Amino acid sequence: DTGVSQDPRHKITKRGQNVTFRCDPISEHNRLYWYRQTLGQGPEFLTYFQNEAQLEKSRLLSDRFSAERPKGSFSTLEIQRTEQGDSAMYLCASSLLGQRLIETQYFGPGTRLLVL
Amino acid sequence: TQLLEQSPQFLSIQEGENLTVYCNSSSVFSSLQWYRQEPGEGPVLLVTVVTGGEVKKLKRLTFQFGDARKDSSLHITAAQPGDTGLYLCAGTNFGNEKLTFGTGTRLTIIP
Repeated sequence: DTGVSQDPRHKITKRGQNVTFRCDPISEHNRLYWYRQTLGQGPEFLTYFQNEAQLEKSRLLSDRFSAERPKGSFSTLEIQRTEQGDSAMYLCASSLLGQRLIETQYFGPGTRLLVL
Repeated sequence: TQLLEQSPQFLSIQEGENLTVYCNSSSVFSSLQWYRQEPGEGPVLLVTVVTGGEVKKLKRLTFQFGDARKDSSLHITAAQPGDTGLYLCAGTNFGNEKLTFGTGTRLTIIP
């Protein structure tokens, strides 16, 4: 078990460009979450998947954002026409929804995005 | 919208001292979790509390969930430089496991 991995770790882009981030969850984890964290703040929920189904999206997720988890394994988060306000750390977490009452989310190292 | 407020926002103390970090809300949570985050890394789970009044200990760290499940505290005894980091509380709601994070407490332990 290698934990949650995210790629790339850092991304610098110019305003208006599209970017795509990838998250590989812990194997056999059926839930996958995306969060965004700006400097000096706690993470904020963006969206989550159970297997390949996207079950909830935050109002923070504008039309420029899209997330997929096509085979219920890895996930991608795409931001189109990036804006300077998109600069943040994008965190992915995975968990196993099972019979236990408590669901523990394990976080990846994050992708830090800087939009110039 | 549920909010979790942490205090203090920043804390800098000498090695060996004790400290307490607070996490408060006007809303009830089904569970509350504490994470520590290092610069440039994702949060790492320290503990989960689910029962009102519950107390959990992790070596020098003591976590308490309020009786009404609206607040929590983290107490560190004899702080060490390795305790330095951003401490985040996060709550979950019944039937919805997305995490609502607090504002964070940045702790610095001075050797």
